[in-house]
Amino acid sequence: GAGVSQSPSNKVTEKGKDVELRCDPISGHTALYWYRQRLGQGLEFLIYFQGNSAPDKSGLPSDRFSAERTGESVSTLTIQRTQQEDSAVYLCASSSGAPGYEQYFGPGTRLTVT
Amino acid sequence: AQKITQTQPGMFVQEKEAVTLDCTYDTSDPSYGLFWYKQPSSGEMIFLIYQGSYDQQNATEGRYSLNFQKARKSANLVISASQLGDSAMYFCAMREGLTVSGYALNFGKGTSLLVTP
Repeated sequence: GAGVSQSPSNKVTEKGKDVELRCDPISGHTALYWYRQRLGQGLEFLIYFQGNSAPDKSGLPSDRFSAERTGESVSTLTIQRTQQEDSAVYLCASSSGAPGYEQYFGPGTRLTVT
Repeated sequence: AQKITQTQPGMFVQEKEAVTLDCTYDTSDPSYGLFWYKQPSSGEMIFLIYQGSYDQQNATEGRYSLNFQKARKSANLVISASQLGDSAMYFCAMREGLTVSGYALNFGKGTSLLVTP
């Protein structure tokens, strides 16, 4: 497909377990963004990649969160020792990197920590 | 500080009527862009319309138009001839100049629009 894909679409995990969320951006998009959307809220920016470089990780909520990207392709967001407050939809978006172009969002991963 | 404010948690409109969804923003960056996204109950984020801070004319995309009042820092979305399929959450978002966060978007809390027959 031509759009941004994310997997898994749903993930239920027990508190304390680690989870890995995957994002496949649109081919050729150099910029990739991760956002979190808590229930009934707007989106909260987490981290940005330009190519495989993440210039700033200060948007990540805690040191339990990490992310990486392989080249200008797949990105993974890893949450270690999950907590209940991590329950949210995690959305990935990609763009060409130019300021006037929209970010194309994936369908998200709904994470539930029990 | 909240950069994007959407003051209407919920709105109702009758089919075929026009509706305005409010959005105000706060930035000191002279170069910024404003976006509106639609999020149906399925959860996907659908891009609707974009307005750059230097654009002289209000953006339009089909039934969507953006009422950009720069001095008032408002970027209201106008949907003309509402359809039942327009029922969704609507988010206003802003990107500022290039930073270490790229062109990360700041989102408002959204407005839930319900279109009634």
